[in-house]
Amino acid sequence: DADVTQTPRNRITKTGKRIMLECSQTKGHDRMYWYRQDPGLGLQLIYYSFDVKDINKGEISDGYSVSRQAQAKFSLSLESAIPNQTALYFCATSDESGGTDTQYFGPGTRLTVL
Amino acid sequence: AQRVTQPEKLLSVFKGAPVELKCNYSYSGSPELFWYVQYSRQRLQLLLRHISRESIKGFTADLNKGETSFHLKKPFAQEEDSAMYYCAPTPQYGNNRLAFGKGNQVVVIP
Repeated sequence: DADVTQTPRNRITKTGKRIMLECSQTKGHDRMYWYRQDPGLGLQLIYYSFDVKDINKGEISDGYSVSRQAQAKFSLSLESAIPNQTALYFCATSDESGGTDTQYFGPGTRLTVL
Repeated sequence: AQRVTQPEKLLSVFKGAPVELKCNYSYSGSPELFWYVQYSRQRLQLLLRHISRESIKGFTADLNKGETSFHLKKPFAQEEDSAMYYCAPTPQYGNNRLAFGKGNQVVVIP
């Protein structure tokens, strides 16, 4: 779905570097999420945000931080990257609803930490 | 502890054969349940959700609360069904968070 975009798509960096992954959406959704995907482990939730003033930790938030700059933008930062943060990172959005709504995913960012 | 179990990492089936992907969850209450799919070079997308009780691309999934299962089934696999499939329940109804299983790689052999 081209309404959810991620930059960069690929990034190679070195241990100790600060990295920012960006997610933008034009779907007008309030809710945004960051996941990481490791081979054989499925997707794990890092952080999520239900609106601009709301930030929540997910299952594996250690070593990560986020910023919700606007309804449409949700950034994920690695303050000091380490090799075990090498993974595929996905951003997702969903609309606010009484139950659980469909999540729309970005194309992913492949991050390699050397 | 793993709360969503998808036991088979890789499932190879011949075209036209039935395919069943198992999913068991261990959340109490009434979680909502979803199957997401990721085709090659495409992004993750919703396949179906249990409250819709619908069939998408020939796939159905039945929620069995007694067995806490939400297995995905298709009677006749097609080549275009080759993909990664993720079972994703919500640990808590209505809070919009999903807990993804480890996924099943399905390969349909022509």
